[in-house]
Amino acid sequence: DTAVSQTPKYLVTQMGNDKSIKCEQNLGHDTMYWYKQDSKKFLKIMFSYNNKELIINETVPNRFSPKSPDKAHLNLHINSLELGDSAVYFCASSPQPDSYNEQFFGPGTRLTVL
Amino acid sequence: DQQVKQNSPSLSVQEGRISILNCDYTNSMFDYFLWYKKYPAEGPTFLISISSIKDKNEDGRFTVFLNKSAKHLSLHIVPSQPGDSAVYFCAASEWDSGNTPLVFGKGTRLSVIA
Repeated sequence: DTAVSQTPKYLVTQMGNDKSIKCEQNLGHDTMYWYKQDSKKFLKIMFSYNNKELIINETVPNRFSPKSPDKAHLNLHINSLELGDSAVYFCASSPQPDSYNEQFFGPGTRLTVL
Repeated sequence: DQQVKQNSPSLSVQEGRISILNCDYTNSMFDYFLWYKKYPAEGPTFLISISSIKDKNEDGRFTVFLNKSAKHLSLHIVPSQPGDSAVYFCAASEWDSGNTPLVFGKGTRLSVIA
């Protein structure tokens, strides 16, 4: 069973479109994250939710909006896509936010904006 | 099936001694490896990387060793300091000019005891 799953795995779209990436974890974790991997393979946190509540909101354009319908899901919606949004986006989960816990990462969604 | 494994969920080391964190991988196509450090309630911070053309990379107190034949890498921290207490993630990728997703281990919690 996949612990953290993301759909789609690949997403190719035109500039200006609105798209969503879905994430689900079946681990019963309280905390979920969205990260962005840049072209140099550096990872940057974007958002974190704990029990459906936003707890980390880094400086990202407000075109990016996370939505957590329940604690097992954290979706990322992106409006008015731009070329610079092309990257790999990772979802992850951990048991709790404020602890030294391991994190389970999803396989990543490779977004290409044309 | 995990492609990147950190088999020790936790490690305790005395201040001033060496910390050795291990990481194993199964995909022989991986040729670029990174270590990240994460404090609670914060995003991961890039520490050090190594490409498969090298077997060692050093940056201050941090050294990463790569054993390609064993598909094993390790992060050495010497001397260990209390501020090094964090979760350390190993990540691997095929290096390309595009956005090949990183594959992460689950992390090892390091506790440095004063």
